[in-house]
Amino acid sequence: DTEVTQTPKHLVMGMTNKKSLKCEQHMGHRAMYWYKQKAKKPPELMFVYSYEKLSINESVPSRFSPECPNSSLLNLHLHALQPEDSALYLCASSQDQGWTDTQYFGPGTRLTVL
Amino acid sequence: GQQVMQIPQYQHVQEGEDFTTYCNSSTTLSNIQWYKQRPGGHPVFLIQLVKSGEVKKQKRLTFQFGEAKKNSSLHITATQTTDVGTYFCNSGGYQKVTFGTGTKLQVIP
Repeated sequence: DTEVTQTPKHLVMGMTNKKSLKCEQHMGHRAMYWYKQKAKKPPELMFVYSYEKLSINESVPSRFSPECPNSSLLNLHLHALQPEDSALYLCASSQDQGWTDTQYFGPGTRLTVL
Repeated sequence: GQQVMQIPQYQHVQEGEDFTTYCNSSTTLSNIQWYKQRPGGHPVFLIQLVKSGEVKKQKRLTFQFGEAKKNSSLHITATQTTDVGTYFCNSGGYQKVTFGTGTKLQVIP
């Protein structure tokens, strides 16, 4: 099974809402990633978890809060977002955080902030 | 940090024509990975190159890693409509992954 699942597929939220994005993998991977992708742009790395510990935070605003409850799950908690945060949010996982490890991406959550 | 540029940004080809995208870095890369993202889809891993001068083939796709490990190319022979999408190169420096700017390929039937 090489599948990464993400829920929901689409999300519309207001600037005062609190919502969460969820990501799950059952490949036994120990590294998980959150990316943000704007239209016609490459994915931008936001956070990396390695062995359930946050190892990279790419200076992401605090209105985005990641959480890794266990080795299979990754959440992204959203609060007080801005319209410019509207984007495709991609989750990925890899065997480890090494530079030769292949990342497997989920289908993404398309987020619209009104 | 690493800057990974891809050219061209867009390419329209007639079905059956060849296509090449180039990935260039200002610094030496530890490796290169190539991904394809279909319209409305997510990036899907194609291949990884690690050694200087490495060449790998997957059917109609040929991937090369430069001798100096600062550039890479993806060449598609005789494009088909199924090749449509955006092709990204990606380099994983220690603990960090940087995506190239991407090349969007349109294939005209």
